[in-house]
Amino acid sequence: SAVISQKPSRDICQRGTSLTIQCQVDSQVTMMFWYRQQPGQSLTLIATANQGSEATYESGFVIDKFPISRPNLTFSTLTVSNMSPEDSSIYLCSFQPREDSYNEQFFGPGTRLTVL
Amino acid sequence: RKEVEQDPGPFNVPEGATVAFNCTYSNSASQSFFWYRQDCRKEPKLLMSVYSSGNEDGRFTAQLNRASQYISLLIRDSKLSDSATYLCVVWDGGFKTIFGAGTRLFVKA
Repeated sequence: SAVISQKPSRDICQRGTSLTIQCQVDSQVTMMFWYRQQPGQSLTLIATANQGSEATYESGFVIDKFPISRPNLTFSTLTVSNMSPEDSSIYLCSFQPREDSYNEQFFGPGTRLTVL
Repeated sequence: RKEVEQDPGPFNVPEGATVAFNCTYSNSASQSFFWYRQDCRKEPKLLMSVYSSGNEDGRFTAQLNRASQYISLLIRDSKLSDSATYLCVVWDGGFKTIFGAGTRLFVKA
């Protein structure tokens, strides 16, 4: 199965700054997803990133705050902009091998972000 | 009402016990159902899919009741290594996957 990696694995940032998280898959995938998991909570989908088109954001998430890039079929970035302590969370990228039916989502190891 | 609801637990059980988790979902048009496992400070990983007829994988049994919009996971002969958070996951047939908040399980010696 494909391997998915993220970096950085963790970071501590000052409020008002921005952090870009990178996600790399070792095979070409059409759909990639970005999730947030706050302490003690489940995963919340931020956006779906398809190569060659604008990311689709879920309710409560906007492009200005979480810009996403998807330059090719193996890579995506999520930027957390103008950070505040409320953005402290784990951010996970994932991909789904098949588009026509749900099979399994593979997750990256996550980026643990702390905003001071 | 949340789209996917689970009992958060925690469930504290001794080794060898049988434990059951429940999950309800609100969208009657949901297509596919899964249980994921998430270890502490790790990413979620698929444990098993849930089929209408019910399915078993070793010590794990999953069942789906579409009429009641209810999913269950049964773990028999619990092991210490089963300690984790179990996430109920529902796919709506489009591009949206909904994760439950998870049920925490602690298996003690």
